This record gives sequence, structure tokens and C-alpha cells, in this order.
Amino acid sequence: QLQLQESGPGLVKPSETLSLTCTGSGGSISTIDYYWGWIRQPPGKGLEWIGSIHYSGITQYNPSLKSRVVISVDTSTNQFSLRLSSVTAADTAVYYCARHLFSEAARGGFNLWGQGTLVTVSS
Amino acid sequence: DIQMTQSPSALSASVGDRVTITCRASQSISSWLAWYQQKPGKAPKLLIYKASSLESGVPSRFSGSGFGTEFTLTISSLQPDDFATFYCQQYGSYPRTFGQGTKLEIK
Repeated sequence: QLQLQESGPGLVKPSETLSLTCTGSGGSISTIDYYWGWIRQPPGKGLEWIGSIHYSGITQYNPSLKSRVVISVDTSTNQFSLRLSSVTAADTAVYYCARHLFSEAARGGFNLWGQGTLVTVSS
Repeated sequence: DIQMTQSPSALSASVGDRVTITCRASQSISSWLAWYQQKPGKAPKLLIYKASSLESGVPSRFSGSGFGTEFTLTISSLQPDDFATFYCQQYGSYPRTFGQGTKLEIK
């Protein structure tokens, strides 16, 4: 049974780059069936989709963050990663990695999530 | 972007009650809607996809309905484990967007 686990620094300084990795265990992320995505949740607030990547490298980004975001995939390590540049306090959030189908016509939504990791932006 | 608006933002109910949460989309999303339950400190859990299809393992007291721009999540008989925050999410187009959440509390 595939599980996802986020990892990365819990504290990032303003103007620097936030870098997180999501590692899949118990299964492969190199499947044509799924996108692998990042979603964040500021403390006490709602959910915001950041972007998603297919193992082939196809990406989808939220336009509100697109200028600062890069999502990449490394099939050799069964990982995908998030880089968010020029961070401010507004980027403080729990960051989740999650999975959704490449074609959501039959069934959609994020059906597998990591446990989430809190990233605080502060000097 | 498609805006998703949930109502109410918060709701108090008792065990055994029937509750309904509404989600409205700013434009038609056909049936491309999912519902999630989130408990404090945990990741969201997918409950419903395609507006009314129950995800595997989700109790049948949860149901969804709607099409186009208006959708509902109904819990037929609240159980103690159901008190949480619920989110809707559209996947009709990118960017994927979520409602602001509905917090279901014990009365």
C-alpha cells in the first residue's frame, strides 16, 4: 500500500527558498495513472492547491503561485519535490503532498495524502 | 479560477442529527466535485468524488448530491467520530480550488 511522506526544513527565512520532498513508500510514483501534487494549509485556515506533476514531467501550477513554484519528480528515488522561492510569512503553512488521478473523469479528488509538514517562515 | 463557497461556515449539531452542508461553485463544474473530512492535526480524507460517489471505506451515512453549481454533503445520523471540518473541492478545471471549510461541532 503506497504511503507518502513529506520531508524538509521546518523553518525558512524570509526571501529564501522553501524546499520540500515527498517520498513514496510501498509503491511506485512512476505510474501513468496519477498526478502527484502539493497542497498547503496556513494555520487555522483552508486548503490551497499549489501544483501537481505527472511522472512524465507534465506539470500544472496554481497561477497565484506559478512565478515562484517549481515541482519536479525523480523516479529513481520515488520522490517528487516542491521549491517555493522568495517566501514571506504568508507562506507559513502545513504543506501536504497528495495524489490525484491523471484523468479524473471516472473518479477524482486527492485520494492519498501525506501526513503534512509545518513550514514556518521567520527570521 | 472557479470560486467555491461553502455554507454554513460552522455548524453545531448533536449525535444522531441529520446535517447538510452546501457548496456552490462560481461557474458550472458538472459533477466534478469532491468532499473531504479533516480532523485537527490530520490530513484531509476523501469522502465523496464525482459529487455523489462514495469513496471506498467511507460509511454510508455520508452522501453527496448536486450538479452544475450547487452541491450538498449530507450526514444522515451524526456519530461522535464525524465532528470535524469538511471541505469541498472542484476538479473541473485548473487551478483546483477548495471551499473555505465548514466546521461541524458538537452541540
